[in-house]
Amino acid sequence: AQSVTQLGSHVSVSEGALVLLRCNYSSSVPPYLFWYVQYPNQGLQLLLKYTSAATLVKGINGFEAEFKKSETSFHLTKPSAHMSDAAEYFCAVTPESGGYNKLIFGAGTRLAVHP
Amino acid sequence: NAGVTQTPKFRVLKTGQSMTLLCAQDMNHEYMYWYRQDPGMGLRLIHYSVGEGTTAKGEVPDGYNVSRLKKQNFLLGLESAAPSQTSVYFCASSRDPPYWGYTFGSGTRLTVV
Repeated sequence: AQSVTQLGSHVSVSEGALVLLRCNYSSSVPPYLFWYVQYPNQGLQLLLKYTSAATLVKGINGFEAEFKKSETSFHLTKPSAHMSDAAEYFCAVTPESGGYNKLIFGAGTRLAVHP
Repeated sequence: NAGVTQTPKFRVLKTGQSMTLLCAQDMNHEYMYWYRQDPGMGLRLIHYSVGEGTTAKGEVPDGYNVSRLKKQNFLLGLESAAPSQTSVYFCASSRDPPYWGYTFGSGTRLTVV
């Protein structure tokens, strides 16, 4: 069955440090991949998406992610963390079967940024 | 502002009561979705719709019903609420094709006591 795994439910970094949030998926066909961010008491916002074009995808707020088919990964990075990046981040993938009309979400990674 | 609006934002129900959550979008999107968010489990799809008059079951449909009588509205109903349905519910919509990404509402926090 299609699945998406986010390694680490909580990640803590210092302000200015590299942010790395991990996402791995299982699929025998190339999926579409997404990263969403959720700030406290808000809905999810789209950060970036991979839809079979360039493998390195740039999103909003300085985030980027690289699609690596050989590793079935789509890790999210940001060179320098800011306090405002503290939020929960969700990786999502289109299902292996049943069409591309819905997304499967990972369990989420909560990012804390400390001074 | 254009977007997805969910009502109500908060609700407390007693076990066995019924209620309807309303989702409205003004972006003329074809696709609409209801997810529930529980700690450590991410978002799980309850039901979705690929167009006016259509509905389909998602990953966790039991105990919920939906209707999409108008393109802009997607209703989620709980006929007999149970404590296991305590959750945060999110509605989302998407253009066709949906891989352009979802637009989410701000959520409804439901507590069943």
